[in-house]
Amino acid sequence: QKEVEQNSGPLSVPEGAIASLNCTYSDRVSQSFFWYRQYSGKSPELIMSIYSNGDKEDGRFTAQLNKASQYVSLLIRDSQPSDSATYLCAVKGPNAGNMLTFGGGTRLMVKP
Amino acid sequence: DAGVTQSPTHLIKTRGQQVTLRCSPKSGHDTVSWYQQALGQGPQFIFQYYEEEERQRGNFPDRFSGHQFPNYSSELNVNALLLGDSALYLCASSDGPHSNQPQHFGDGTRLSIL
Repeated sequence: QKEVEQNSGPLSVPEGAIASLNCTYSDRVSQSFFWYRQYSGKSPELIMSIYSNGDKEDGRFTAQLNKASQYVSLLIRDSQPSDSATYLCAVKGPNAGNMLTFGGGTRLMVKP
Repeated sequence: DAGVTQSPTHLIKTRGQQVTLRCSPKSGHDTVSWYQQALGQGPQFIFQYYEEEERQRGNFPDRFSGHQFPNYSSELNVNALLLGDSALYLCASSDGPHSNQPQHFGDGTRLSIL
C-alpha cells in the first residue's frame, strides 16, 4: 500500500466550477500536509499547507484535513483554465525531519 | 531575495557515466533536501544535508551521494548512471533539519540518460 495516495485523473471540470482533489495517507502520526501545483515541465509550487483538523482558506483555494479519517483535500473554487496542472499532495511525519512523502499527483483539466 | 537555485537546468548523459548537480539554498536557509521525480510520478526523497552531513536518506542506492559546503550549497552526485535515473531532480531548502515550515523547490535539473 502506498503511503500517500491520490487519484491520478485526469479530473475534468468546466471553467467556473469547483474542483475537488483528494488525498489519503497511511501514517496515522503524520502532522504536516501540503498541496503543490506542478505545471508540465516545471517544478512543484506550494499552494497550501495545513497542520490541524478543519478547513483553511486562501483565496480560491481551501484545504481540508481530517486526521481521524487520514484524509486531506483541496478545493479550487471558480476554476480557471490556468489551474490546469498536476496537484501533488505531500505529507510529513513528526520524526521525518524535513522529508516529504508525496502522492503520485492528480491531473486537473479545466475546460473553457 | 533569491530562492532556491539549481544548475544546470538540463543535462544529457550516457549509461555508466557520472553526474553532479548543484543547489544553492534560499538566503537564510542551512538545510538542503534532494528529490527525484520520474515522469508521471510524485517526487521521491533522496537525502537531506545539514551542517555538512547527510542527516536523512530515502530508499536510494549508494550510487547517489551528496555533499554540503560551508556556505550551505549542496551537490548531488550519481555514479554509474542507469536509464532509470532519467528524471527531474529537485532541491528544496529549509531553516534547520526539523523545520515545520513548508519547503519550496528550485526549478530542478532535468537529467536524461541515453
